[in-house]
This record gives sequence, C-alpha cells and structure tokens, in this order.
Amino acid sequence: DAGVIQSPRHEVTEMGQEVTLRCKPISGHDYLFWYRQTMMRGLELLIYFNNNVPIDDSGMPEDRFSAKMPNASFSTLKIQPSEPRDSAVYFCASSLGQYQETQYFGPGTRLLVL
Amino acid sequence: AQKITQTQPGMFVQEKEAVTLDCTYDTSDQSYGLFWYKQPSSGEMIFLIYQGSYDEQNATEGRYSLNFQKARKSANLVISASQLGDSAMYFCAMRGRPKDSNYQLIWGAGTKLIIKP
Repeated sequence: DAGVIQSPRHEVTEMGQEVTLRCKPISGHDYLFWYRQTMMRGLELLIYFNNNVPIDDSGMPEDRFSAKMPNASFSTLKIQPSEPRDSAVYFCASSLGQYQETQYFGPGTRLLVL
Repeated sequence: AQKITQTQPGMFVQEKEAVTLDCTYDTSDQSYGLFWYKQPSSGEMIFLIYQGSYDEQNATEGRYSLNFQKARKSANLVISASQLGDSAMYFCAMRGRPKDSNYQLIWGAGTKLIIKP
C-alpha cells in the first residue's frame, strides 16, 4: 500500500513568492495533519482535517498560511507571501479515524526561502 | 497541562547493545495513547510502536518494546540488539485530550541516538 505522498520533496524559493505544498493521504484515512518541523521549535501541528473539513487551525502561524482539502485524496498548504522564517520541513500525516489514531507521515517537503 | 518529557538529548550506544530511551508524560486523562517515532537523517518520520493506557501488556514490535509504567507515568522505548541503522532521532508522543472526536499528538523534544560500530 502506498504511504502518504508529498510533493515537492524540496522547494527553494525567494522571499515574497507563493509556495504550494501538496499531500495525498493514505486511502481510507479520515484525518489529515500538516506539521512544520524546525530545529528551534521542533514539530508543530499547523492544522488538521477530518473528512476534508478543517477542525483546528490554531497552529497556523499567520494569515500568510492557508490549507485546503478539496477531496479525500488531496490537500494543499499554501504560503503567500513566503518569508525566510518559513524555511522548515513540512510534513503531512494521515490517520484512519477516531479510534485508530496512529499517524502515518509522508516524507516531508524541505522548504528553503531565500 | 499535558506534556511529554524526553530527558536525554543524545545517546551513544555500542552496536549490539540494548538501548533504553526515556519518556515521561503528564496527563490527567484516564484514557490516552503513547507513541514512538523514529526520524533518521533522511528526514522521514517512521511510526515504531503504540501503547494504550488500558493495555495490560507492554507493546512489542520486533526489536522494539515499550516499557510502560503507568504509576510512574513513563513509557520508555527499548531497542534490543542495536544496529547501525538505529542511529536516528526518536520522538515520544502522547495522544492529547479528545477534541472534535480526534486526538492530537503531543510531542517530546526527541533523543538523538548514535550507534557506534
């Protein structure tokens, strides 16, 4: 079975540009999570979805960040405009449901904003 | 407040020796879950093992076992017969309070394990 798929794996962009990160969760998983990992702050939950509906976006740093899940097999995390402090590894994870809460992570997108 | 504490920022262990990575947690919930993940230098987060608070037996998955001591609120990961490929960051995580029928994970800071040949 395919795991969580993320693209791109690496992204280098200039400050001010729009960045779109993509995620395909494991088929059948009802929950999708977006995390950010930095050396300074560790692993932070940005937002999560249940059945395509955003449940908690309290971890989204500011209005420059937005996330969507138009269907059960696709989600995007967008940063517009990007800033150097957004440089981090962004992970997408999915889990099966309420009582199967193990989260399975994608390979991550390593973002560098110059 | 719910919290995960990993007190060992780094560890060096000789190959083939057993390793214990410490994890203590704080929660007032009666029902909770504990997880360990491995993050090798390549960056991916790999799920290793899960322990439910009501599980009577310690969880095991191959060379990984979880030493669950509920009264002490500890959930240490034990790796038997360590291998060079076990060198990685290891994160302990706990399922937090239920909200909207889901359980967010609360993460520890991680322990960097280096296996020496």
